[in-house]
Amino acid sequence: EIVMTQSPATLSVSPGERATLSCRASQSVSSNLAWYQQKPGQAPRLLIYGASTRATGIPARFSGSGSGTEFTLTISSLQSEDFAVYYCQQYNNWPPWTFGQGTKLEIK
Amino acid sequence: QMQLVQSGAEVKKTGSSVKVSCKASGYTFTYRYLHWVRQAPGQALEWMGWITPFNGNTNYAQKFQDRVTITRDRSMSTAYMELSSLRSEDTAMYYCATPGIAVAGAFDIWGQGTMVTVSS
Repeated sequence: EIVMTQSPATLSVSPGERATLSCRASQSVSSNLAWYQQKPGQAPRLLIYGASTRATGIPARFSGSGSGTEFTLTISSLQSEDFAVYYCQQYNNWPPWTFGQGTKLEIK
Repeated sequence: QMQLVQSGAEVKKTGSSVKVSCKASGYTFTYRYLHWVRQAPGQALEWMGWITPFNGNTNYAQKFQDRVTITRDRSMSTAYMELSSLRSEDTAMYYCATPGIAVAGAFDIWGQGTMVTVSS
C-alpha cells in the first residue's frame, strides 16, 4: 500500500499571500495524483488531477506540480474561501486508493 | 448534471449493521466505477471499497474485508454499502464517489455524505 504524507499538518497564512502545501508518496505514483479541498460540513471537491491539471471551474490561483513521489499544491493569492482542509490522493497503484492525512489551511 | 445522492443519517447500536444508499443521476450508471470513502470526525479520508456497476464486481480494503458489502441495483442506478458488526470507531461520515475518465481517474463526483453514529 502506498502511504501519502502531507506537510505541514496546519498552515497559517494571511489573505492575499501564497500558500504552499506538500505531499509525498512512499513510492512513485507517476503523475496520478489528485488534490481535494474540503470545507466544514461538505464533501471533498476535486481541485487538481494528473498532478497539475485544474478540474473544471477551479480558479487559476490553484496550481499543482510534481511527479514521482514529491508533489506541491500552490495557492497564489489566498482568498477567504480558500481556508479549508486539503487532501492529496494517489490513484496510480490500486487498490487501495490512498489519501494523505490532510493539511488544514487557516487564517493567520 | 452528474450527481450522487445518498440516504439520510443513521443511528445504530453497537454490533448491528447499517446500509447506506447512493443514487446516481445525470450519467449512465454502468459507465463509471463507484467507490465508498469514510471520514471519522476530525480525521482523514479512508477508502473502503469499490464496485463495477456493469457486472457487480467488487474489491474491498483489507481493513474492512470481513465486514463490508457493496452491491448495486442497475435498474435503480443505485449502489449500496453495508457495514456489519458496528463498533463505536465506525462513527463517521460515509461518502460515495465516482472517478471520471476525463479526469484521469480522480474522484470528480461525490455524494453529500451520510453520517453514521454508532452507540451502545
